[in-house]
Amino acid sequence: GQQVMQIPQYQHVQEGEDFTTYCNSSTTLSNIQWYKQRPGGHPVFLIQLVKSGEVKKQKRLTFQFGEAKKNSSLHITATQTTDVGTYFCAGNNQGGKLIFGQGTELSVKP
Amino acid sequence: DGGITQSPKYLFRKEGQNVTLSCEQNLNHDAMYWYRQDPGQGLRLIYYSQIVNDFQKGDIAEGYSVSREKKESFPLTVTSAQKNPTAFYLCASSIEGAAGYTFGSGTRLTVV
Repeated sequence: GQQVMQIPQYQHVQEGEDFTTYCNSSTTLSNIQWYKQRPGGHPVFLIQLVKSGEVKKQKRLTFQFGEAKKNSSLHITATQTTDVGTYFCAGNNQGGKLIFGQGTELSVKP
Repeated sequence: DGGITQSPKYLFRKEGQNVTLSCEQNLNHDAMYWYRQDPGQGLRLIYYSQIVNDFQKGDIAEGYSVSREKKESFPLTVTSAQKNPTAFYLCASSIEGAAGYTFGSGTRLTVV
């Protein structure tokens, strides 16, 4: 079946450093979504990318959707302690089912 | 404020007992979902429902059952047939035309 792989599983950074998580799908996606889950919390929707090659920004966060619509990335510039949490990508296949990656857990050392 | 309510937040049960997790939404969303979250494995889909009185199995439906008698409610029963029920269970909802799922705060189930 369709799989969405996300790397790395964990990332520890010093406050102020950049962070990137990568997401790869075994099949072409109709769109990709990104979520953030704070420690002890629940996933919160951040953004959706639909178009091939699309790039969207939310303050220090930059989201990209690959040209082939099979991969995506989330880049955080100059991390802050408030960025701590697990970031999930979720791909929507042609059947409309959302498949989540395993998540990347980000810790930020002040 | 609109949202999804999951109750209880923590639940303890003895092995062999069925347990039902509640999920209620007042967002007027048509679709509802149940996910299971285990450390290092992301979210795995158990069941989903796109309309009242209809639901489909997800990737890990064995040992679980659901009902969708009302648009607002999508309870999940963890049966004694589920071999490893201890996990964090998340309910979500969505509406066609709007991006993203809205998640509840989750129920942490521990079976001893």
